[in-house]
Amino acid sequence: GQNIDQPTEMTATEGAIVQINCTYQTSGFNGLFWYQQHAGEAPTFLSYNVLDGLEEKGRFSSFLSRSKGYSYLLLKELQMKDSASYLCAVMDSNYQLIWGAGTKLIIKP
Amino acid sequence: NAGVTQTPKFRVLKTGQSMTLLCAQDMNHEYMYWYRQDPGMGLRLIHYSVGEGTTAKGEVPDGYNVSRLKKQNFLLGLESAAPSQTSVYFCASSHSSGGVETQYFGPGTRLLVL
Repeated sequence: GQNIDQPTEMTATEGAIVQINCTYQTSGFNGLFWYQQHAGEAPTFLSYNVLDGLEEKGRFSSFLSRSKGYSYLLLKELQMKDSASYLCAVMDSNYQLIWGAGTKLIIKP
Repeated sequence: NAGVTQTPKFRVLKTGQSMTLLCAQDMNHEYMYWYRQDPGMGLRLIHYSVGEGTTAKGEVPDGYNVSRLKKQNFLLGLESAAPSQTSVYFCASSHSSGGVETQYFGPGTRLLVL
């Protein structure tokens, strides 16, 4: 079956760095997405990786290793507004998105 | 440019009642999707559409029907609501380029079935 695993919840301190991991097993692979979802709101796109390596976008970076079925989202210089859930999703061979349950990130002052 | 909008934002139904959720997008996207989001689970695809007049089943289609009569609108119907359909429903849309496209989401509809 298809499976996306990510931690349920993480806590970090304002100004620090946090890494949110995602492992996947899917039927085919057409890329991995990270979305941010604030409580009670819609998911919004953060990043897309299809090749191995690190993609940097401001304070956020996303890494992919296709051979290990592994990705992480790295958030630097954490701000209180980064408190949200972070969703990992893989596009399978049918171009359908398979979603993880999300990681709730709590930022403490 | 409103993006993706959904109506209603919140609804309470009794078991057996019917309702229609409306999704509209103004980005001229070909593809539209209906998901449900439940605590502790990832988003699950209910139905999707690759163009006006076409629909297809997703992962969890039972108990739902959809229609895409106009390119900008995608309707999700519940003919006879059940408590198991209590959830948050998200609509999304994307371009179609024959490859990978980012999905853009609406604000969600919170449905409670008693």
